[in-house]
Amino acid sequence: GNSVTQMEGPVTLSEEAFLTINCTYTATGYPSLFWYVQYPGEGLQLLLKATKADDKGSNKGFEATYRKETTSFHLEKGSVQVSDSAVYFCALSESKAAGNKLTFGGGTRVLVKP
Amino acid sequence: GAGVSQSPRYKVAKRGQDVALRCDPISGHVSLFWYQQALGQGPEFLTYFQNEAQLDKSGLPSDRFFAERPEGSVSTLKIQRTQQEDSAVYLCASSSRSETQYFGPGTRLLVL
Repeated sequence: GNSVTQMEGPVTLSEEAFLTINCTYTATGYPSLFWYVQYPGEGLQLLLKATKADDKGSNKGFEATYRKETTSFHLEKGSVQVSDSAVYFCALSESKAAGNKLTFGGGTRVLVKP
Repeated sequence: GAGVSQSPRYKVAKRGQDVALRCDPISGHVSLFWYQQALGQGPEFLTYFQNEAQLDKSGLPSDRFFAERPEGSVSTLKIQRTQQEDSAVYLCASSSRSETQYFGPGTRLLVL
């Protein structure tokens, strides 16, 4: 079956540092890939997505590139802010017949200190 | 417009009680999903509706879990004879014809 593996946290950074969160996946077909973010006290929000190989998703200074050859979708941001402190989830969806249900990784907590 | 709403936001139940969790999707969204998120883990798929039809219930952990969406809008997730292992956050998401799922704030269920 499908699965998503992402690096465990917590990841603690100083403001303006570079952030990378690794994500790799296993899927039987050609999934779409997503990063969702959960800020403290809030619900899950879509951060970015990519629907095919070599696509780059970007939003709010975050980027991730769909790498089919390495089955990866690593999240990066060049200069983090305190407001980026949150839990980040990598996810995939596949099979429109199943309604694009999402398979999530375990989440990575990021804490940015001033 | 309004996002996905869920009620109640918090629910405490005694072991053995039945609970009902409500989800109001974004108006016009055809697809509706339920997920279960245990503490410190990622959400896990429970079930999926397209309009009123429940097309996938492969993630429901036992026959104590039941979901319905009788008119193709509001959905209810019911858990009968709750157990401590049912304690989790229950998330509802809806989507239109695109793939993007929009999540509600979740219902935090604590079974004592």
